[in-house]
Amino acid sequence: RKEVEQDPGPFNVPEGATVAFNCTYSNSASQSFFWYRQDCRKEPKLLMSVYSSGNEDGRFTAQLNRASQYISLLIRDSKLSDSATYLCAYYGNNRLAFGKGNQVVVIP
Amino acid sequence: DGGITQSPKYLFRKEGQNVTLSCEQNLNHDAMYWYRQDPGQGLRLIYYSQIVNDFQKGDIAEGYSVSREKKESFPLTVTSAQKNPTAFYLCASSALDREGEAFFGQGTRLTVV
Repeated sequence: RKEVEQDPGPFNVPEGATVAFNCTYSNSASQSFFWYRQDCRKEPKLLMSVYSSGNEDGRFTAQLNRASQYISLLIRDSKLSDSATYLCAYYGNNRLAFGKGNQVVVIP
Repeated sequence: DGGITQSPKYLFRKEGQNVTLSCEQNLNHDAMYWYRQDPGQGLRLIYYSQIVNDFQKGDIAEGYSVSREKKESFPLTVTSAQKNPTAFYLCASSALDREGEAFFGQGTRLTVV
């Protein structure tokens, strides 16, 4: 089983709609979790950290479920500018590991 | 401006040649990482370093080498032993108390012909 698994999609989302996706992880020693955004042919950039209690940043909500070993990202009121690949990541054992990413395409 | 710089942005090399990719940061970060990204493969960890003069192999270290002689610099050498070196290479750094909050360079696209 891979360390971090994501359904690559693409997730085709009408503008204004809500989209949500999960990322499962296998390493129970994982200490902290993150969502990164990567635009086409660009470097990833940190979108938000994921806290155990869940956290929200504007239209973005991230949650962590340690019992089931997954994290989630929800995007409300999708904008065309949200089109990107969203990578989940975890830090544990001095390593920062990434999933393959969820590709989101927001359609006008 | 503080940041992390990779150079060059595009690099072409002949098969069988070693090539070194540069990564420099002025963020005073202790941790640095090298990743490789292929289409549909996500980011795969090549090497990482937490302190100067120390580094560890990641998941796909074969055919690569690194050095960490200075805190600011973490160059990656792609050797001729790497079977399929054409890829997008990304360097990242993070502070030790915020390890998962990494800053990435703009990447180097290496093409071996």
